Amino acid sequence: EVQLEESGGGLVQPGRSLRLSCTASGFSFDDYAMHWVRQAPGKGLEWVSGISWNSGNIAYADSVRGRFTISRDNAKNSLYLQMNSLRPEDTAFYFCAKLGPSMVIKGEFDSWGQGTLVIVSS
Amino acid sequence: DIQMTQSPSSLSASVGDRVTITCQASQDISDYLNWYQQKPGKAPNLLIYDASNLQTGVPSRFSGSGSGTDFTFTISSLQPEDFATYYCQQYSNLPLTFGPGTKVDLK
Repeated sequence: EVQLEESGGGLVQPGRSLRLSCTASGFSFDDYAMHWVRQAPGKGLEWVSGISWNSGNIAYADSVRGRFTISRDNAKNSLYLQMNSLRPEDTAFYFCAKLGPSMVIKGEFDSWGQGTLVIVSS
Repeated sequence: DIQMTQSPSSLSASVGDRVTITCQASQDISDYLNWYQQKPGKAPNLLIYDASNLQTGVPSRFSGSGSGTDFTFTISSLQPEDFATYYCQQYSNLPLTFGPGTKVDLK
């Protein structure tokens, strides 16, 4: 069974940094692209960033490009999101999501973690 | 960026009803369209991929159709566990984008 578990969320002041982690199990982590998707409380889903299986292809939403950095450690079955210069509008639940079988980083998200809440507030 | 719209934004229905949700893309996305269900406090769950393919383990009362810019998602006979919010998502181009969601609640 695929399991994805996010951690690292919390309350942070504007302008500060936070690093999210996602630990994967139940599948061959290094065979799949992984993504971060966020959801502000009571709002819809927003794609944040994605990374290919070998980290060779990375993409970001315009809203986070230059501030967030996605990375992965296949030896540790882990996905990360380094979030710098945080803004109040970054407040959201952050989900890590596994992409379905694909040769690119675009496709369907076939497994999701339960999310970790990031609150950016002074 | 490809903009996704959904209609209606919400609907009220009864158990056993046939429910249809539409999703429109701002440009041709072929069949690069997925549908998700999300219940309160939970992560989204993939129901349909590539516009019309049922994800493994998803009941057959869920279906999807369409290509190009216009897509339809149908629940043939609404069950109590189907009250949730449904999102479409395109993956033709980056950035990946979601529709705003359709909330299905009990009439």
